[in-house]
Amino acid sequence: AQTVTQSQPEMSVQEAETVTLSCTYDTSESDYYLFWYKQPPSRQMILVIRQEAYKQQNATENRFSVNFQKAAKSFSLKISDSQLGDAAMYFCAYSPPGGYQKVTFGTGTKLQVIP
Amino acid sequence: GAVVSQHPSWVICKSGTSVKIECRSLDFQATTMFWYRQFPKQSLMLMATSNEGSKATYEQGVEKDKFLINHASLTLSTLTVTSAHPEDSSFYICSARFLNRDRDNEQYFGPGTRLTVT
Repeated sequence: AQTVTQSQPEMSVQEAETVTLSCTYDTSESDYYLFWYKQPPSRQMILVIRQEAYKQQNATENRFSVNFQKAAKSFSLKISDSQLGDAAMYFCAYSPPGGYQKVTFGTGTKLQVIP
Repeated sequence: GAVVSQHPSWVICKSGTSVKIECRSLDFQATTMFWYRQFPKQSLMLMATSNEGSKATYEQGVEKDKFLINHASLTLSTLTVTSAHPEDSSFYICSARFLNRDRDNEQYFGPGTRLTVT
């Protein structure tokens, strides 16, 4: 079974600084997808970024980028120029390919942004 | 695009009654819909996977007779909590995946439904 581990229950960052959230996963598959989701206090889950395992290039979305290390099964999220609105729970997630496949979530990292 | 709605957003019901939660994909057709449960300060726990026109697949430990799922169309799935008890109080979230092959691993979430059973 696939597992997703987020070893940082809480993180904090100064506004405008950069922070990296860690995620490791375990799978025997060679093709899969990885995601970072944000859950603000409203509890609405928001897709931040996704990465296809067959792509070597790290995904980026504006201030958000990932460091995908397939051999190490590591998938960290870097948030640059942190903003107050970035404060939220961040969940790392894994999914095999296929629209019917379920997503496995990590336990989450609570990010605090300090003004 | 990719909007998923849930109704109601908050419901209070008495112990022993049933409550239905709707999940709709508003601007796309969903291959599959998923139902999650989330306890405070915890991650999402998958309850079941729902495909249009077929029976839902429940995760181990989830009572299928208690949590009835109906996926009547490519844009609507419902979760009915039958004979609800206080321990069923939780935050329930649905998600829907695109039918389009290019994005079939994108999962979009509804805003959630807070259920309180008194």
